[in-house]
Amino acid sequence: GAGVSQSPSNKVTEKGKDVELRCDPISGHTALYWYRQSLGQGLEFLIYFQGNSAPDKSGLPSDRFSAERTGGSVSTLTIQRTQQEDSAVYLCASSPTQNTEAFFGQGTRLTVV
Amino acid sequence: KNEVEQSPQNLTAQEGEFITINCSYSVGISALHWLQQHPGGGIVSLFMLSSGKKKHGRLIATINIQEKHSSLHITASHPRDSAVYICAVQAARQLTFGSGTQLTVLP
Repeated sequence: GAGVSQSPSNKVTEKGKDVELRCDPISGHTALYWYRQSLGQGLEFLIYFQGNSAPDKSGLPSDRFSAERTGGSVSTLTIQRTQQEDSAVYLCASSPTQNTEAFFGQGTRLTVV
Repeated sequence: KNEVEQSPQNLTAQEGEFITINCSYSVGISALHWLQQHPGGGIVSLFMLSSGKKKHGRLIATINIQEKHSSLHITASHPRDSAVYICAVQAARQLTFGSGTQLTVLP
């Protein structure tokens, strides 16, 4: 497909388990963003990748959160030892370069029970 | 105080009405985005602005950099325009989001 693809679309996990969320950006887009939207809350920046530069991790809420972007394309957001407050919709976006229009995926709805 | 303020928080309109949603921000930015989020949660980017005005169909977005203010207008509104409209400002690498405006257009 031509858009940003995220998987899985829904994930239910037990508290304490690790989860991996995947984002396939639009081909050729060098910028990739992760955000989350908790229930009833606004969108919150998590992490940003731009080309081969060091990622901007300033939005990650704790050291249980990490993200990688392999080969400048696919990105994986990993949450270790999940907690109930991690329940949210995790959104990925990509853009051709830093200051251009961002295209959003459909999100992964994570529920920690 | 949030860096990005949107108003109104909620807006109900009758089909055909002209709608305006406002966004004010307090930081220097490189660009401003207007996003649309439908009830299913998917987000669509409507506009990215760094100056002036853009138009796409019935949607118009304007920005005044000096006043740190942007507006999103919808002409001849339709029930399918019902969604949450989110303003986001881009500074350096990050997007900072407003809390959104819930728009409901009644038939």
